[in-house]
Amino acid sequence: DAKTTQPTSMDCAEGRAANLPCNHSTISGNEYVYWYRQIHSQGPQYIIHGLKNNETNEMASLIITEDRKSSTLILPHATLRDTAVYYCIVNSYGKLTFGQGTILTVHP
Amino acid sequence: KAGVTQTPRYLIKTRGQQVTLSCSPISGHRSVSWYQQTPGQGLQFLFEYFSETQRNKGNFPGRFSGRQFSNSRSEMNVSTLELGDSALYLCASSSTQVRDNSPLHFGNGTRLTVT
Repeated sequence: DAKTTQPTSMDCAEGRAANLPCNHSTISGNEYVYWYRQIHSQGPQYIIHGLKNNETNEMASLIITEDRKSSTLILPHATLRDTAVYYCIVNSYGKLTFGQGTILTVHP
Repeated sequence: KAGVTQTPRYLIKTRGQQVTLSCSPISGHRSVSWYQQTPGQGLQFLFEYFSETQRNKGNFPGRFSGRQFSNSRSEMNVSTLELGDSALYLCASSSTQVRDNSPLHFGNGTRLTVT
């Protein structure tokens, strides 16, 4: 199963872009990268996923490097409500392996 | 559309007992997967059910089992509870099997405490 590595914590000022990196150097050709976030006492919330190309939706953008060994989640204008644990996950043929995630703290 | 519903929200059990947790997926979703979340191990995959059949399984002992009904609702059972089974148990539903890359929608979990 592909493993992911993320920084333990990051800070961001409200209104600025938050760029969360993830390393998944052992990813295989058909394995998608997913991002979820979890706010205390709630279940994880889906943000975005992709295979090769960059993806954008109403919540965020996902930038995947050409060799697919790493990706970056971009929250374009972070708000205080974006404070959460962010998980980068690889879908290994139906098994999702969650790492410890990145604690993102958005400051006023 | 109603989200994923897990019941009960909190549960306290004694070592050696068994417990059954319930998960109702989003209407129309046929896949239900289960996860255990603990401070030490993080989120770990337990198993996935699709069309009443177990499709995938994580590395947990046989004390952890599940099933899925024809209406896609799923139950998870843990027998002979151990202190280490204390955790937040999350279920997630999706419209297709997890391996087919539809996004998962999680419930808010059942907090199990074993004393």
